[in-house]
Amino acid sequence: GENVEQHPSTLSVQEGDSAVIKCTYSDSASNYFPWYKQELGKRPQLIIDIRSNVGEKKDQRIAVTLNKTAKHFSLHITETQPEDSAVYFCAASYDSWGKLQFGAGTQVVVTP
Amino acid sequence: NAGVTQTPKFQVLKTGQSMTLQCAQDMNHNSMYWYRQDPGMGLRLIYYSASEGTTDKGEVPNGYNVSRLNKREFSLRLESAAPSQTSVYFCANSPLTSGGAHEQYFGPGTRLTVT
Repeated sequence: GENVEQHPSTLSVQEGDSAVIKCTYSDSASNYFPWYKQELGKRPQLIIDIRSNVGEKKDQRIAVTLNKTAKHFSLHITETQPEDSAVYFCAASYDSWGKLQFGAGTQVVVTP
Repeated sequence: NAGVTQTPKFQVLKTGQSMTLQCAQDMNHNSMYWYRQDPGMGLRLIYYSASEGTTDKGEVPNGYNVSRLNKREFSLRLESAAPSQTSVYFCANSPLTSGGAHEQYFGPGTRLTVT
């Protein structure tokens, strides 16, 4: 099965700085890599995703990069704001039925 | 258009009691999922359903059963609750297409405590 490792487990950044979260996966057949943001007491919500035929994707202050050869992908948040404080989860698909294997999560704290 | 709804929001059970967590979606998606979320462990798949009448085990199915009677509803049953099942439970759904995996849409969660 798929194994997804996520680092770091906690990340503290000053407002305006960048934040980077990295994930590695084990199954070379994985082809879909979403990132979810979960605020305290709320449900996880998709913020960006990437498929294996693309190396990078950007959406305003958020970007994801994928290195299929090394089997790792990263989330980049630029110009961080206090509302970016949350837990972020990476995930990787591991079968044709859409199942996802999630990383353990990164607690991001943005301090003013 | 509620998306994904879950009931109850909170529940406290004693060891050995049973209960069913309900999930319903109005997004007309085929695939539905049950996850549990524990601190430091991310989201772990309990059971999965590709369509009405079909279910499949996920990573942590022991102690749970599921039922997918129609396209909208996917229920999770704990027959004999144990303290190790104290967790937050999320239902999710996604479209299933030949293109592979897609975004999963999560419900608001059920916080379950077993004493």
